[in-house]
Amino acid sequence: GENVEQHPSTLSVQEGDSAVIKCTYSDSASNYFPWYKQELGKRPQLIIDIRSNVGEKKDQRIAVTLNKTAKHFSLHITETQPEDSAVYFCAAKPYFGNEKLTFGTGTRLTIIP
Amino acid sequence: DGGITQSPKYLFRKEGQNVTLSCEQNLNHDAMYWYRQDPGQGLRLIYYSQIVNDFQKGDIAEGYSVSREKKESFPLTVTSAQKNPTAFYLCATGLAGAYNEQFFGPGTRLTVL
Repeated sequence: GENVEQHPSTLSVQEGDSAVIKCTYSDSASNYFPWYKQELGKRPQLIIDIRSNVGEKKDQRIAVTLNKTAKHFSLHITETQPEDSAVYFCAAKPYFGNEKLTFGTGTRLTIIP
Repeated sequence: DGGITQSPKYLFRKEGQNVTLSCEQNLNHDAMYWYRQDPGQGLRLIYYSQIVNDFQKGDIAEGYSVSREKKESFPLTVTSAQKNPTAFYLCATGLAGAYNEQFFGPGTRLTVL
């Protein structure tokens, strides 16, 4: 089955700087890669996703890049703000077969004012 | 995700007792999922169901059981066979399809004394 590794487990950045979180996956059949954000005490929510037919996707200060050859994808947050502090999870899912998402272990991002 | 309810928010049980966690949705989603969240271990899939009267084991199904008698409901029973049941349990739903977002409920924090 799929295995997703996520690094780093914790990340602290100064407000206004950029943050990068990286994930690798094992199943070459995976072709859908969402990122979820979980604020303290709240439920995870989708912030951005990417399909395997594109290499990059942007949404304001958030971007995700995908390298299918190397089987890794990354979340980039620019101009970080205090409200970006949260735990971020990457995930992967194959197009065919079951509907199961495999999640990474999460990155706790802290923005230092 | 406002259409997914989990009850109760906090649950305390004595060791050796079975306990059932409720998950109800009014989003008309076909797929429903149960995840367990422990610090530093991300979201681990317990069971999932893509259609009424059918469900599949996830990665950590031992000691848990589910039913899917109605589209709106996917209750999870934590049995006495689960060795370390204290955790945060998240229910999620989604439309069938390869690229569809999963929506999470607010979660139930189970503590076994």
